[in-house]
Amino acid sequence: GESVGLHLPTLSVQEGDNSIINCAYSNSASDYFIWYKQESGKGPQFIIDIRSNMDKRQGQRVTVLLNKTVKHLSLQIAATQPGDSAVYFCAEIPNRDDKIIFGKGTRLHILP
Amino acid sequence: GAGVSQSPRYKVAKRGQDVALRCDPISGHVSLFWYQQALGQGPEFLTYFQNEAQLDKSGLPSDRFFAERPEGSVSTLKIQRTQQEDSAVYLCASSDQTGDGEAFFGQGTRLTVV
Repeated sequence: GESVGLHLPTLSVQEGDNSIINCAYSNSASDYFIWYKQESGKGPQFIIDIRSNMDKRQGQRVTVLLNKTVKHLSLQIAATQPGDSAVYFCAEIPNRDDKIIFGKGTRLHILP
Repeated sequence: GAGVSQSPRYKVAKRGQDVALRCDPISGHVSLFWYQQALGQGPEFLTYFQNEAQLDKSGLPSDRFFAERPEGSVSTLKIQRTQQEDSAVYLCASSDQTGDGEAFFGQGTRLTVV
């Protein structure tokens, strides 16, 4: 079935390095994509979003890239800090549908 | 408060017991969502309200699950005759517009059925 998923369950990154978290989606009709960060014991927190008519969007220390040709989404975190340790979910809102569909998540582990 | 508030924060229920989980969305937010998150998994959609109307309940796993939002603000998710597989974190989110508005999540209610 159509779904949003992630390539790696765990990513370990040295503090100060850049992190890249990848996501593959299969619903070509999806119009809107979101990255969420979830820390232990908390609900998902919005990081950045991107619409299907864009291929790149930048925020503070984060960049989201969308490649519609291969249905691939990525989140880049610059100068990774200990506070970035969390599980990151990509999510999509399919066209004409209001619910957010989450992938399984990638745990980002920061090495000292 | 400024954010989405859920109560109780933790709930332990004996198998067969009924439970009610409460969500206070951000004031004025039209859309309200319920999600179920099993340990180590991503949130799974349960149901969605636009004001008091329940527009989508396709994610409710069985007829033991029931959600309401009678006045278009506070919502309650009720689970009847709880079973061990219902153990999960139940997340509520609200947004101020349908479709592509940013959704704000509460901290969730961790339900443990023993």
